[in-house]
Amino acid sequence: DIVMTQTPLSLSVTPGQPASISCKSSQSLLHSDGKTYLYWYLQRPGQSPQLLIYEVSNRFSGVSDRFSGSGSGTDFTLKISRVEAEDVGVYYCMQGIHLLYTFGQGTKLEIK
Amino acid sequence: QVQLQESGPRLVKPSETLSLTCTVSGGSIRSHYWSWIRQPPGKGLEWIGSFDYSGSTIYNPSLKSRVTISADTSKNQFSLSVRSVTAADTSMYYCARDFYEGGYYYAMDVWGQGTTVTVSS
Repeated sequence: DIVMTQTPLSLSVTPGQPASISCKSSQSLLHSDGKTYLYWYLQRPGQSPQLLIYEVSNRFSGVSDRFSGSGSGTDFTLKISRVEAEDVGVYYCMQGIHLLYTFGQGTKLEIK
Repeated sequence: QVQLQESGPRLVKPSETLSLTCTVSGGSIRSHYWSWIRQPPGKGLEWIGSFDYSGSTIYNPSLKSRVTISADTSKNQFSLSVRSVTAADTSMYYCARDFYEGGYYYAMDVWGQGTTVTVSS
């Protein structure tokens, strides 16, 4: 199984400040088709997870441009340029190479 | 707009079978991949398995021996069965859709609201 490791596990950020979450995979997520199947989700309190970023760096429909994803191979990052109150929740990275999905442990974002 | 709704018993006895259904509206299960994911209370997300209409199914290796995902195209539903449940299977269970378009794979782009299942005697 591919293990996904997120850091930090919790984050407390002042509104307007940036935030960054790291996600490392135990194996390269580069598929033989040339694509990298790394995704980011946000689960707001009491809600279902929602897709933020697909294939490493593409923002899903309706997602604020304050969110950006980057990385390659085994190292990936989600960045929020200016944190807002609505960004509170748990962020998960997920790998989907060969459709055998595994999630990171989650990173809880709180507002200071 | 595609919507998913989970349904099924909220309480299951240990050693019995947990059965849930995901009803899809606004789209057909005859295309894309469809998944089940669970989340124990206060914990993270765990993928259970996925299927597509052609009959291809993929399961989490850690659950594969106890899990079956199947579809009822006449009702536009797909189902999850987890056999021989224990307290460790107590979770919120979600269904979700994978969507492929324009050369991009949108994994789990639509989620149901989830249903809580408790395993207890």
